[in-house]
Order: sequence, then C-alpha cells, then structure tokens
Amino acid sequence: GAGVSQSPRYKVTKRGQDVALRCDPISGHVSLYWYRQALGQGPEFLTYFNYEAQQDKSGLPNDRFSAERPEGSISTLTIQRTEQRDSAMYRCASTGGANTEAFFGQGTRLTVV
Amino acid sequence: AQSVAQPEDQVNVAEGNPLTVKCTYSVSGNPYLFWYVQYPNRGLQFLLKYITGDNLVKGSYGFEAEFNKSQTSFHLKKPSALVSDSALYFCAVRDASGGSYIPTFGRGTSLIVHP
Repeated sequence: GAGVSQSPRYKVTKRGQDVALRCDPISGHVSLYWYRQALGQGPEFLTYFNYEAQQDKSGLPNDRFSAERPEGSISTLTIQRTEQRDSAMYRCASTGGANTEAFFGQGTRLTVV
Repeated sequence: AQSVAQPEDQVNVAEGNPLTVKCTYSVSGNPYLFWYVQYPNRGLQFLLKYITGDNLVKGSYGFEAEFNKSQTSFHLKKPSALVSDSALYFCAVRDASGGSYIPTFGRGTSLIVHP
C-alpha cells in the first residue's frame, strides 16, 4: 500500500481479554517494527522483524505480549489477558533498508478498562 | 546501548524567529540520526536524516540539522519559525556499525510557536 496501515485505530477492551493489533507495512519493506508510546513520551521499542523472522523481542514487557509476521508482510501484535497498564498507543513502522528512515502508521490507541 | 537525550521538554519561540530543538546521542559505533515530527492525533512523520557526508542536512518544511560528532549532537533548526511548526519533535539514533538495527527515540520536545 501507499503507507503503513494499522487497524483498528481505536480499541477499548475489558481487563483480562485478549487483543490483536494489525500492521500492514509499505509493500516491499523488509523490516517491521512495533513500538509503544505513552502520552508525552517517545516511542518505546517492543520488537522487530526482518521478513518473517523476529530479530529482536527484547522490548516486549512480558510473556503476555507476542508478535508474528508469518509471510513477511502483515504483522500482528497480540496481548493476552490485558491489564490497565497496557493502555497506550501502539505504533508500527517499516523500513526499506539499513540506512533508510522508518515510516510510521497512524497507530492503535488501546484502552483497557 | 544506544540512547538519545532531548534536554528540553518544551521550546517556545515567536513566529519569524529562528528555532533550535536540541538532541544529543550515544551510540557505540557511527550513528544514523533522524528527526520526526508528530502533529496531534497523527503518526510520526519523517523530517530529515544524517547518514554520512555533509554535516548539515536539509529536510522537509525548511528544517535542517547539523551533525556534530565531537559534541555527539544533532540539533534541529529552522531560520524562521511558523505557527504551523508547533508540534512534538522526536530525535532518533541507530548504530550504523551493525548490531542493532533498532532506532531508539528520545522522549520528544514540544515546540510552541507564538504568533
């Protein structure tokens, strides 16, 4: 597509429910990143992929968080048994090469009530 | 580990005056440096980057940034600020020497341009 697309834009869920956040990167982009951004803060790294391979997941807060990119394109970030502290803006970005800038999606605003 | 510091939470400037948003970085190898802008309820938009070559980098909307290796800085500048420049600005760094390909972001600086 023309840009990075994330869905849903907004998600309100009850504590304890599982949520899946989707990211569709720019076509042909090799690397895909997931970040979490709290209000008034910079994006905080969660995990990233090259093609379908998850290269680094050191930023995932705990084992309730997982991500996949099975065909090297669309990625899903899943949060199991959501907690209120998971409420944040989740951002996805993709890059076309090692020295290129990241293109960000609009983000998914997750609210856990 | 790599890191970015944006020492000012907020920068205020009058329209028409020059603006500077500060950024310093720490990285074990050579840096790739980036500036992004975020408008309310929008995603992060790329402004400019330093990869190699000329230390003065020009980007979108009249912004420029100067890479200073000795001071490990990459300050964002604009000769004449516009009210429409008011937004949140993020500096980011990546290690160009391989290893981690993960851009690390600063906490952001809110730029407010007064009419």
